[in-house]
Amino acid sequence: AQTVTQSQPEMSVQEAETVTLSCTYDTSENNYYLFWYKQPPSRQMILVIRQEAYKQQNATENRFSVNFQKAAKSFSLKISDSQLGDTAMYFCAFDRTGNQFYFGTGTSLTVIP
Amino acid sequence: DAGVIQSPRHEVTEMGQEVTLRCKPISGHDYLFWYRQTMMRGLELLIYFNNNVPIDDSGMPEDRFSAKMPNASFSTLKIQPSEPRDSAVYFCASSLPGPQARLFFGSGTQLSVL
Repeated sequence: AQTVTQSQPEMSVQEAETVTLSCTYDTSENNYYLFWYKQPPSRQMILVIRQEAYKQQNATENRFSVNFQKAAKSFSLKISDSQLGDTAMYFCAFDRTGNQFYFGTGTSLTVIP
Repeated sequence: DAGVIQSPRHEVTEMGQEVTLRCKPISGHDYLFWYRQTMMRGLELLIYFNNNVPIDDSGMPEDRFSAKMPNASFSTLKIQPSEPRDSAVYFCASSLPGPQARLFFGSGTQLSVL
């Protein structure tokens, strides 16, 4: 079974600073997909970034980037120039086949003005 | 596309009553998922459909829960009878298969069973 671990239940960062959220996963698969989802207080789940395991290049989306270490099964999210609107729960997710998504327990991020 | 549409956004009911949650997936998405979110258990996959056919319902808590997808544009999750421990946010999500897979979530239904 696939598992996703987020070891930081809560984090905080000063506005305009950089923060990194950690995620590790366990799988025996070689091809899979990894995601970070954001859930603000509105509770809407929003896709932040997606990484394909067969791509060595780390995905980036504006201020969001990942550090994908396949051998270590690590998939951390870096948020640069943090903004107040980044305050949210962040979930790491793993998908093996396109129809089996496994989620971590989430990290609650607070951006401090 | 309007995205995944769920209704109602909030539902308050009394223990023992039947509850029906509704979902309209994104047009063209082959997969539809029902998740439940609670503080204690996080995001749990309840059931998912592929081309309207239930594929894996092993996450459905018990027989009180049932889900249907009569066509490609509509799904329901029913709880009968409801219990206070069913109180949670229920999300519907849809996805394309394979290399294009990514979950698009609805806005969720906040269910409170008194």
